[in-house]
Amino acid sequence: SAVISQKPSRDICQRGTSLTIQCQVDSQVTMMFWYRQQPGQSLTLIATANQGSEATYESGFVIDKFPISRPNLTFSTLTVSNMSPEDSSIYLCSGGGGGGSTGELFFGEGSRLTVL
Amino acid sequence: KQEVTQIPAALSVPEGENLVLNCSFTDSAIYNLQWFRQDPGKGLTSLLLIQSSQREQTSGRLNASLDKSSGRSTLYIAASQPGDSATYLCAQGWAFNDYKLSFGAGTTVTVRA
Repeated sequence: SAVISQKPSRDICQRGTSLTIQCQVDSQVTMMFWYRQQPGQSLTLIATANQGSEATYESGFVIDKFPISRPNLTFSTLTVSNMSPEDSSIYLCSGGGGGGSTGELFFGEGSRLTVL
Repeated sequence: KQEVTQIPAALSVPEGENLVLNCSFTDSAIYNLQWFRQDPGKGLTSLLLIQSSQREQTSGRLNASLDKSSGRSTLYIAASQPGDSATYLCAQGWAFNDYKLSFGAGTTVTVRA
């Protein structure tokens, strides 16, 4: 299994600002993803974080709003840019596909953002 | 597009009763199915993973079954405890070596002491 740490765990942000969330995995994983969970809803995939190259975004999500970096197999960042109250959500990092992988995906504790 | 449905949306049971949580999916080309637990305001904890070639998986009081032909998975929790109160999410895996998941909306369980 993989242990995934995210920071910050929560933050209150002002409209128009940007915030970067960090995700650290305790072992090398092939795949890393970023999900969003809006209040009272389930998880929606934002993008696949690709090591050393541009992330692959799902429909409805764009790089200018959610720039993602992944410099190596254990670390990724997600920036939420020019935030509005609609961006208030829990953002979750996930990873899978390390050595001996069973296909299981693991998640961090999430970063709860509140935009005022 | 894969769609995953969980019914009921909420469930309240007295302590000691067995829990049955349902998950249905529309894509018969399922690669795997994963059950997660989420406590309020927290991340997801993986409970069980069932590969498409398997019929069920068990871990302690938890048992999950998979029926590809009917597009259904069921999570059973035996002898429920107040600590089992949480939201349970099922998620369908799309393809080999892809790891993307499509999530259901979850079932929120309350176990009354």
